[in-house]
Amino acid sequence: KAGVTQTPRYLIKTRGQQVTLSCSPISGHRSVSWYQQTPGQGLQFLFEYFSETQRNKGNFPGRFSGRQFSNSRSEMNVSTLELGDSALYLCASSLWGGRDTEAFFGQGTRLTVV
Amino acid sequence: SQQGEEDPQALSIQEGENATMNCSYKTSINNLQWYRQNSGRGLVHLILIRSNEREKHSGRLRVTLDTSKKSSSLLITASRAADTASYFCATDWIGKSSGDKLTFGTGTRLAVRP
Repeated sequence: KAGVTQTPRYLIKTRGQQVTLSCSPISGHRSVSWYQQTPGQGLQFLFEYFSETQRNKGNFPGRFSGRQFSNSRSEMNVSTLELGDSALYLCASSLWGGRDTEAFFGQGTRLTVV
Repeated sequence: SQQGEEDPQALSIQEGENATMNCSYKTSINNLQWYRQNSGRGLVHLILIRSNEREKHSGRLRVTLDTSKKSSSLLITASRAADTASYFCATDWIGKSSGDKLTFGTGTRLAVRP
């Protein structure tokens, strides 16, 4: 069974640009969550999608958005990039994202904003 | 912040020794999970312990949970060089209002010397 696939693995963008990251969950998983990891703030939850609907959202500005397609693949978009958006973005998939369900993480996309 | 605190922040041991890391959290939880992260890569789920469980084993891993003290510990026995990684606890806590999924601790960096 293929794991969670995130593309691209590395990305360099300029301040003010926008970026789209992609996540393909494990086959059959319907919940996809996104996290941001930085040395200063650690791992922080961005949002969760389930059956094409955003079900949960963390405390991030509206520049961060996402969506999920009918095949459960998910994308997250960051507009008007700031230097502080440089981070490792991790995607996690689970069967239904409910209590006590194990989350499987992808390798992440490392975004550098210059 | 509901973020957990992990102790120690860094740990260096000799191969074959046991490694113990601790996690403290602030509010009541549904469950607590431990993850491993190799340098700059995705997270690997290690073990999930529910709030009504006190101890759980998986191979060389032993996790304990003390809900009265709001703390958990991860013990890795007979450590190997391949155990070198960062270890995070993550809580699914009760009463969250922001819609957060898992709330991650700050992590313990474990180095196992050959």
